[in-house]
Amino acid sequence: GENVEQHPSTLSVQEGDSAVIKCTYSDSASNYFPWYKQELGKRPQLIIDIRSNVGEKKDQRIAVTLNKTAKHFSLHITETQPEDSAVYFCAASMGGSQGNLIFGKGTKLSVKP
Amino acid sequence: DTEVTQTPKHLVMGMTNKKSLKCEQHMGHRAMYWYKQKAKKPPELMFVYSYEKLSINESVPSRFSPECPNSSLLNLHLHALQPEDSALYLCASSHQLAGGYEQFFGPGTRLTVL
Repeated sequence: GENVEQHPSTLSVQEGDSAVIKCTYSDSASNYFPWYKQELGKRPQLIIDIRSNVGEKKDQRIAVTLNKTAKHFSLHITETQPEDSAVYFCAASMGGSQGNLIFGKGTKLSVKP
Repeated sequence: DTEVTQTPKHLVMGMTNKKSLKCEQHMGHRAMYWYKQKAKKPPELMFVYSYEKLSINESVPSRFSPECPNSSLLNLHLHALQPEDSALYLCASSHQLAGGYEQFFGPGTRLTVL
């Protein structure tokens, strides 16, 4: 089955710096890669996603890149702010009856003012 | 309405109790999910319903029993739980089970088993 590895497990940056979180997946049939942000005590919320027919996607300060050949994808947050502090989960999904998400173990991002 | 709602928010139960968790969505989604999340861990898939039929059961113990009464509701019946079952239980829904659709999560039920 699919396996998703996520690094680093913790990341601390100064406000205004960039943060990068990387994930690798094992099954080349995976075609959908969402990123979720989970603040303490809150529900996971989708912040950006990418499909296998696209190499990069941006939404304001957030971007995701996908390298299908190497089977890895990354989350890039620029101009970080204290409110970006949270746990970020990457995930991978295949189509059809295997459409459930396989999550990475999460990255705890701390943005210091 | 673009939200998934869950009740109760918190639940404390003994090992001999029977209780139920409830989840509701009115987005017309046909796939609904139950996840278990322990502290500092990712959500762990338990069950998936697609068009009100159980599609995936990730080898969950029988003390957890899911039910999908209609396309908007999802229940999780709990019986004879163990203290290690204490966790945040998240419900989610998506347009369909097929990959590529955003999963919307509910706020979760914080379960404590004494």
